[in-house]
Amino acid sequence: DSGVTQTPKHLITATGQRVTLRCSPRSGDLSVYWYQQSLDQGLQFLIQYYNGEERAKGNILERFSAQQFPDLHSELNLSSLELGDSALYFCASSFRDYRGEKLFFGSGTQLSVL
Amino acid sequence: SQQGEEDPQALSIQEGENATMNCSYKTSINNLQWYRQNSGRGLVHLILIRSNEREKHSGRLRVTLDTSKKSSSLLITASRAADTASYFCATDLNAGGTSYGKLTFGQGTILTVHP
Repeated sequence: DSGVTQTPKHLITATGQRVTLRCSPRSGDLSVYWYQQSLDQGLQFLIQYYNGEERAKGNILERFSAQQFPDLHSELNLSSLELGDSALYFCASSFRDYRGEKLFFGSGTQLSVL
Repeated sequence: SQQGEEDPQALSIQEGENATMNCSYKTSINNLQWYRQNSGRGLVHLILIRSNEREKHSGRLRVTLDTSKKSSSLLITASRAADTASYFCATDLNAGGTSYGKLTFGQGTILTVHP
């Protein structure tokens, strides 16, 4: 158990809909990362938040948005869903020491857009 | 294109054999990490090697890093059926001495260890 909690585990929805994915980081971790994993694109970095503020942005579509709340949990909002958005979405929190930053991943949310 | 690219894409071996996976990257890094993913599960951190290190060990894992060739290898010795998983390298990029703070993952190597 990584200590990172993601809900829901599975989500099935229709094209055009909007969904929210939730993530609670490990206790004490200030950073939250969101990744999308699909067979054709592999593991793609979407966005990172640190202590409530956006820190880095990756290949995140304009239809997607995220935020991190004062209690450090984060939500990823996906809107106007398309078939191609079907993927496994991971959240991770991080631990940084003098050697570098290591990620701890949640178990993911499997999104199916029908 | 991917910063880290693993080779081979898939590897099938028998229990007890060694498994070697390679990773190549394009730009300067602060460190390189290896992660493991069991089917449909979250990734698990295995080992981190800094850019000024050449070799790291952790149990049955051995990682090497050659910054001149921009490549790394992960060796799993005496493999077990439970090692069956996908293995990813991830690079922590170096931008003027400051880490971007995000890891870039390769496409992964699928390792199958037959009992």
